Amino acid sequence: KAGVTQTPRYLIKTRGQQVTLSCSPISGHRSVSWYQQTPGQGLQFLFEYFSETQRNKGNFPGRFSGRQFSNSRSEMNVSTLELGDSALYLCASSLDATGATRQTRNYGYTFGSGTRLTVV
Amino acid sequence: GQQVMQIPQYQHVQEGEDFTTYCNSSTTLSNIQWYKQRPGGHPVFLIQLVKSGEVKKQKRLTFQFGEAKKNSSLHITATQTTDVGTYFCAGPDRGSTLGRLYFGRGTQLTVWP
Repeated sequence: KAGVTQTPRYLIKTRGQQVTLSCSPISGHRSVSWYQQTPGQGLQFLFEYFSETQRNKGNFPGRFSGRQFSNSRSEMNVSTLELGDSALYLCASSLDATGATRQTRNYGYTFGSGTRLTVV
Repeated sequence: GQQVMQIPQYQHVQEGEDFTTYCNSSTTLSNIQWYKQRPGGHPVFLIQLVKSGEVKKQKRLTFQFGEAKKNSSLHITATQTTDVGTYFCAGPDRGSTLGRLYFGRGTQLTVWP
């Protein structure tokens, strides 16, 4: 089956602009999470969506936002870009299951190839 | 806040040598997951450990979850050049089994042929 698809793969933007990144999860996966990866901070959680609702949010400023559509596809938006926003943005999807089911099945998150954002 | 720490940050080994990375959480975890990221790639899920003291093997890789469910380790026996990459551990929010993951900073493994 197809993996997690992120578009675009690369982006170059200037400070002050805004950007929208897209993520199509694995078919059947309803949980979509976004992470920012930088050499300095590692992998940091941005937010998680499930059934079009934001279920968790990390410690990022309000310039970072996201949404999920009824087909589970997700987008994240960064407004008023800063140089420090340059990073690899990763989307991860998961077959959402709770409690005992989650614990007894050996599955984690499937990451997309990411969008490499460079802010100049 | 909740933290996951991982050591060492870098490890350089000659092919055939063993490798171990250690992960420690500031809170008790319901499960711990391990991921591998090849250079220029994205994290790929390796395994999930759930039970206290659990040990799982995948060929040359051995994963352990501590008795207190706060620490974990990944051991690779007889490394190969294909093992090159960064290995991350990750755990969910305290009291949760899914959702947000807290990642360690990873151990970057380099293998000399």
